[in-house]
Amino acid sequence: EAQVTQNPRYLITVTGKKLTVTCSQNMNHEYMSWYRQDPGLGLRQIYYSMNVEVTDKGDVPEGYKVSRKEKRNFPLILESPSPNQTSLYFCASSLWGTQYFGPGTRLLVL
Amino acid sequence: GDSVTQMEGPVTLSEEAFLTINCTYTATGYPSLFWYVQYPGEGLQLLLKATKADDKGSNKGFEATYRKETTSFHLEKGSVQVSDSAVYFCALESPGGSYIPTFGRGTSLIVHP
Repeated sequence: EAQVTQNPRYLITVTGKKLTVTCSQNMNHEYMSWYRQDPGLGLRQIYYSMNVEVTDKGDVPEGYKVSRKEKRNFPLILESPSPNQTSLYFCASSLWGTQYFGPGTRLLVL
Repeated sequence: GDSVTQMEGPVTLSEEAFLTINCTYTATGYPSLFWYVQYPGEGLQLLLKATKADDKGSNKGFEATYRKETTSFHLEKGSVQVSDSAVYFCALESPGGSYIPTFGRGTSLIVHP
């Protein structure tokens, strides 16, 4: 089954404790991206990647890092999380403009 | 820059009512236009899309027509069901491969039996 998977689905952490949210797709898509969804603000893109070792900032990259060492994986790294990064995060891969989203990771930073 | 404006929700309807969710956009050239749906507790999934002017996208009884002259892509359904309750996002991707799609803020639809 073609899908995008994310782990963990739910995460509670404390300020400053480094965390990684994994993302993997099995559709061989070159393009992948990360979004955060916040009430009243809709979906905002954090980072995107056009291929292995090619990444670029989206609209809200501050406080986040990404890497793309393999085509299928695109982890999101929060090196020092802060409470304003509490949000719902989605990974997506894309083909011909159509986005395929993962199920989401709900993050709470205390 | 590109932008997408959707009507604010929530939109509350009775089952079998007619649905319209308005979406207008600002973009250079001829973007591709999309509607995504997000059911409770899930990620977004593509509902329908149109890639050129006057194209009509359709899926699951939903329709939207790409109107270049009014820069609109309104979502319609003739008879909604309780299972259509979800958040609907209008989005565009500009030609030329910017790889940064632009999403509207989403419109929540609540359908009562």
